[in-house]
Amino acid sequence: GAVVSQHPSRVICKSGTSVKIECRSLDFQATTMFWYRQFPKQSLMLMATSNEGSKATYEQGVEKDKFLINHASLTLSTLTVTSAHPEDSSFYICSGVGGQGTTYTFGSGTRLTVV
Amino acid sequence: DQQVKQNSPSLSVQEGRISILNCDYTNSMFDYFLWYKKYPAEGPTFLISISSIKDKNEDGRFTVFLNKSAKHLSLHIVPSQPGDSAVYFCAANYGQNFVFGPGTRLSVLP
Repeated sequence: GAVVSQHPSRVICKSGTSVKIECRSLDFQATTMFWYRQFPKQSLMLMATSNEGSKATYEQGVEKDKFLINHASLTLSTLTVTSAHPEDSSFYICSGVGGQGTTYTFGSGTRLTVV
Repeated sequence: DQQVKQNSPSLSVQEGRISILNCDYTNSMFDYFLWYKKYPAEGPTFLISISSIKDKNEDGRFTVFLNKSAKHLSLHIVPSQPGDSAVYFCAANYGQNFVFGPGTRLSVLP
């Protein structure tokens, strides 16, 4: 089946540094990649939608300059959390859409802890 | 090793009947479970959740049942409607850890 590989699975970084999270679609071409953030005991929050080769569309309240999304190819999308702060600590997960919308797969998620 | 399994990749149900989607998990640390619904070309949307201290949570046509001893949860939709046709993901959570199942595609036939 379709697989989205997300790395790293967990990362601890210092306040003020930047962290890059990668999502790769391994056996399909992800024309669209969604990026989510999830807090414990809450529902998944869509942060942004990116289509290959174009700028990401951010949801209201999500700072585009802080959460940089790049979707330069059909198999790779990245989320960079810039100047991370402790309140950015969360679980981030991507999902890729391909096959004309028939393929939709979540990555395994990244647990970010900012200290 | 898959920690959250949805063993039925697809399910077809007649309109008006009950849809039952199943999910099994292996990690006894999970203490919160969520169901998401996803339409084609859209991101998933949250549907219903349940804490491990409960065995049932109901919201309109949607009910989630949790059997902790069997590490099994199910989502019941009754009556099923054509608009319920979508992919349903279950997810399990403890602390900052979330694991999603592979999804079950539900088709409700008119």
